[in-house]
Amino acid sequence: QVQLVQSGSEVKRPGASVKLSCRASGYNFAIYGISWVRQVPGHGLEWLGWISPYEPSRHVAPRFDDRVTLTTDTSSDTSYLELRSLTSDDTGFYYCARDERQYCVGVTCPYFDHWGQGALVTVSS
Amino acid sequence: VLMTQSPLSLAVTVGQPASISCRSTQSLVFRDGNTYLTWFQQRPGQSPRRLIYKVSDRDSGVPDRFRGSGSGTDFTLEISRVEPEDIGVYFCMQGAHWPPTFGPGTKLEIK
Repeated sequence: QVQLVQSGSEVKRPGASVKLSCRASGYNFAIYGISWVRQVPGHGLEWLGWISPYEPSRHVAPRFDDRVTLTTDTSSDTSYLELRSLTSDDTGFYYCARDERQYCVGVTCPYFDHWGQGALVTVSS
Repeated sequence: VLMTQSPLSLAVTVGQPASISCRSTQSLVFRDGNTYLTWFQQRPGQSPRRLIYKVSDRDSGVPDRFRGSGSGTDFTLEISRVEPEDIGVYFCMQGAHWPPTFGPGTKLEIK
């Protein structure tokens, strides 16, 4: 079955960076994109970005464009999110989700259909 | 695209219906002809779970008491008979315009 397993909780100082991972199993990782979404107090759910493992394509939400790097490793079926220049406002849960809208045909739609368990990032001095 | 939901919270007696409205500031019809409005359920302490995609297509394993409807900018999630396991927060999300955006969530409690 499709599974996305994320790395564990992180505690970081303001100004530091964090790198989270999301390991996929149960499907062909190479042909499905991954979106990253966060849930921070006061901001609800926010989409951070999307990356494709099958081509050099990625999209990052404008307000995170200068702080987020998305990468993938098809040898380990893993997607990574790096967030830099952390502040206390970045404290919250970070999720990965399978996201490949082009395959939404009929009863199949791999668009945010499976999510990781989430990783708590705490930014505190 | 801004997504709004109403109500932001509701308390429902088990066995009674519940309805959540979701509105977008622009039409959610994508260039491929599909309308990308998705509903998620987030139970306490869990990740979001997709319930409904493309307005009204229910995911496998989702009880048929959940029903999505709507078009253009106006959408609704209805639960015909609320069960105790339905408690949590319900979010709508639009995927027709970049970047994808979520509604603020509606918290469902049992009365």
